[in-house]
Amino acid sequence: GDSVTQMEGPVTLSEEAFLTINCTYTATGYPSLFWYVQYPGEGLQLLLKATKADDKGSNKGFEATYRKETTSFHLEKGSVQVSDSAVYFCALSGLGGAGGTSYGKLTFGQGTILTVHP
Amino acid sequence: DTGVSQDPRHKITKRGQNVTFRCDPISEHNRLYWYRQTLGQGPEFLTYFQNEAQLEKSRLLSDRFSAERPKGSFSTLEIQRTEQGDSAMYLCASSPNWADTQYFGPGTRLTVL
Repeated sequence: GDSVTQMEGPVTLSEEAFLTINCTYTATGYPSLFWYVQYPGEGLQLLLKATKADDKGSNKGFEATYRKETTSFHLEKGSVQVSDSAVYFCALSGLGGAGGTSYGKLTFGQGTILTVHP
Repeated sequence: DTGVSQDPRHKITKRGQNVTFRCDPISEHNRLYWYRQTLGQGPEFLTYFQNEAQLEKSRLLSDRFSAERPKGSFSTLEIQRTEQGDSAMYLCASSPNWADTQYFGPGTRLTVL
């Protein structure tokens, strides 16, 4: 079945450092890929997404490129801020199930805790 | 548009009791999903509805779990004879249709003593 693997955390960085959080996936066909973020005390929010190979999703200075050849969707940001401290989840929306019945459901990675210090 | 709401936000119950959670999706969203998240893990899919029809249930959803979405609006998730292993955050999400972004509610945190 579909699966998502994220780099193990937690990740601790100083403000303005470069961030990479690795994400690889296993799925049949061509899934859509997502990064969700969960800030302290808040619900899951979509950060960015990409729906086909070589697409780049971007938002709030974060970027991720859909790499079909390496089945990866790594999250990057050039200069992190204290306010970026949160838990980041990589996810995919696959095409499993007879007749495409599972279109839309999300499969998540285990999450990466990011802490940014001033 | 007030977002997805869930009620209650926290529920503490004793083992063996029944609990029911409610989710109100964003208005006119046809898809409604339930996920479960345990500490240190990502959310896991439980079930979803297309309007009022429940189209898929995960094998995580034992016979003690039941979900409904009458009239295609709000949804309820009931757990009967709760067990300590049911302790988790239960998340609801909605989207206009299958290919659209899912918007998550704040979750209901269940603690089974």
